[in-house]
Amino acid sequence: AQSVTQPDIHITVSEGASLELRCNYSYGATPYLFWYVQSPGQGLQLLLKYFSGDTLVQGIKGFEAEFKRSQSSFNLRKPSVHWSDAAEYFCAVGAASGATNKLIFGTGTLLAVQP
Amino acid sequence: KAGVTQTPRYLIKTRGQQVTLSCSPISGHRSVSWYQQTPGQGLQFLFEYFSETQRNKGNFPGRFSGRQFSNSRSEMNVSTLELGDSALYLCASSDRDNEQFFGPGTRLTVL
Repeated sequence: AQSVTQPDIHITVSEGASLELRCNYSYGATPYLFWYVQSPGQGLQLLLKYFSGDTLVQGIKGFEAEFKRSQSSFNLRKPSVHWSDAAEYFCAVGAASGATNKLIFGTGTLLAVQP
Repeated sequence: KAGVTQTPRYLIKTRGQQVTLSCSPISGHRSVSWYQQTPGQGLQFLFEYFSETQRNKGNFPGRFSGRQFSNSRSEMNVSTLELGDSALYLCASSDRDNEQFFGPGTRLTVL
């Protein structure tokens, strides 16, 4: 079955601290992987994506993610969190075949940032 | 380029009514997907349209339907509304490589 697991529902970090949000996926075919961020009452903004090639991908707002095929993981990291990073983060997987744009999302991780 | 726009942004309906939501994709994008977001079920895929054809459909009852027009604009319709249909409905458009751009959503409240 195709699924995405984000084991941390809620994370609190101090401003300036490093951050790692976990994502594990189960997908039968070659996947495309994404991280989105959602601020309250807003739509989803794409942070970064992995299609192929270098397994460490850089995104916007200083975020990066590493694809580890052996662990079926795509964890999101940021070396120093800013208060404006407080939001909900979603990991998603899609088909690399091009036959569909359907995304399967994880349940999200709500990030709180302490001053 | 202008982003994905969704109208209306907020909607209040009563049980049994029907509702139509609209989505205008980014210019040049031919694929439009719809998602339902609720606190209990999270983000769930409703359906996807590509060049006016439904290319994929999620596990939702037949009360949920959609269509896409020749200019790629899309509408989704929910008939016989139920309380559980209260949600944020998100539209996303894509031109290639499954990179999807989301609109701000329509917040539907069913009373």
